[in-house]
Amino acid sequence: TQLLEQSPQFLSIQEGENLTVYCNSSSVFSSLQWYRQEPGEGPVLLVTVVTGGEVKKLKRLTFQFGDARKDSSLHITAAQPGDTGLYLCAGYNAGNNRKLIWGLGTSLAVNP
Amino acid sequence: NAGVMQNPRHLVRRRGQEARLRCSPMKGHSHVYWYRQLPEEGLKFMVYLQKENIIDESGMPKERFSAEFPKEGPSILRIQQVVRGDSAAYFCASSPGPGREQYFGPGTRLTVT
Repeated sequence: TQLLEQSPQFLSIQEGENLTVYCNSSSVFSSLQWYRQEPGEGPVLLVTVVTGGEVKKLKRLTFQFGDARKDSSLHITAAQPGDTGLYLCAGYNAGNNRKLIWGLGTSLAVNP
Repeated sequence: NAGVMQNPRHLVRRRGQEARLRCSPMKGHSHVYWYRQLPEEGLKFMVYLQKENIIDESGMPKERFSAEFPKEGPSILRIQQVVRGDSAAYFCASSPGPGREQYFGPGTRLTVT
């Protein structure tokens, strides 16, 4: 059972465009993390959100945690080719902090 | 501050041999997680260990796979009598505690010939 659904699965855009990717669930999460993974490498942690409604910014990346802590979004402003990669969301279900539940990822290609 | 280290980065084994994958967590982290990733598939949780204890091994196959995290030294994921289906990227992550953010190593790419 896939508890975290990410959309879109694939996204190809031109440099300078804005984009939003989504991470949705019917379950409540105590925290949610976003990672970026490049080919041949391990996922790199970008941010952790823990409070419903929380917004965090990391340069051109804006992360939001839904009020009910069931969903999250990642918005990238003025995308650059260096943003290319697989974006993964993962979270701990409320009441289970033993293992992260993972989405399948959004594969982003930013073309120069 | 060194990150999570894994070795080897690439490992080639013939069918029937044993594979040993090592993971050294970040300094100060005593919680280690192992994952497997196949091309075009997501990260699959295998096992969660704390020093000298297996906390959750619900994602690990019951046969041929084992994991340990001794008091001293790295965590080891051991695969006995490897088969072609074991070919995958294996990632280790560490965290400072349960329910905390996980930091990943660069992975070990296992190829079974």
